[in-house]
Amino acid sequence: QKEVEQDPGPLSVPEGAIVSLNCTYSNSAFQYFMWYRQYSRKGPELLMYTYSSGNKEDGRFTAQVDKSSKYISLFIRDSQPSDSATYLCACGANSKLTFGKGITLSVRP
Amino acid sequence: DADVTQTPRNRITKTGKRIMLECSQTKGHDRMYWYRQDPGLGLRLIYYSFDVKDINKGEISDGYSVSRQAQAKFSLSLESAIPNQTALYFCATSEIGLSEQFFGPGTRLTVL
Repeated sequence: QKEVEQDPGPLSVPEGAIVSLNCTYSNSAFQYFMWYRQYSRKGPELLMYTYSSGNKEDGRFTAQVDKSSKYISLFIRDSQPSDSATYLCACGANSKLTFGKGITLSVRP
Repeated sequence: DADVTQTPRNRITKTGKRIMLECSQTKGHDRMYWYRQDPGLGLRLIYYSFDVKDINKGEISDGYSVSRQAQAKFSLSLESAIPNQTALYFCATSEIGLSEQFFGPGTRLTVL
């Protein structure tokens, strides 16, 4: 079992939908949790970053971490076509990140 | 991120050839990383370096070597390329004490 598992997708939603992206992890040593967004032919860029269990909100994006269940989520409200990209969850410890496989999201106008 | 550059951006080579991928950064970060990305497998860590004298193997280092020529430069070599090393390769950097990694634009490598 990979240390970080991510729903494989792809995922297609209409514009304005609420999107929920999820990952689970198995290593209790992970201390921080991130979501990266990757557009086609680009490198990943950090979207959200959290250390603790709970919710962190930034505009239309909310990252949720439940350390007791080893479950992390990213919610996108009022999704836009510009949100169409691959989303990667990442779990970190000791300055190293372990990534999920990524899920490709397509938001239809 | 324009502060992390990778050369070449695309490369096609033949089995058995030696290939070097280069990464340079102007962020002043001490930590640098090499990943490969494959469809269905995500990003996997090949090597990482916390400073010029510290180099460590990652999850999938077999068939690869690295050189940290300076704080700003970290090169990845494939001594004898094989077709299953066809992938997208990313360099990343981070600051000491901070966990965010900044990625370069990637190198698309095809080994025939």
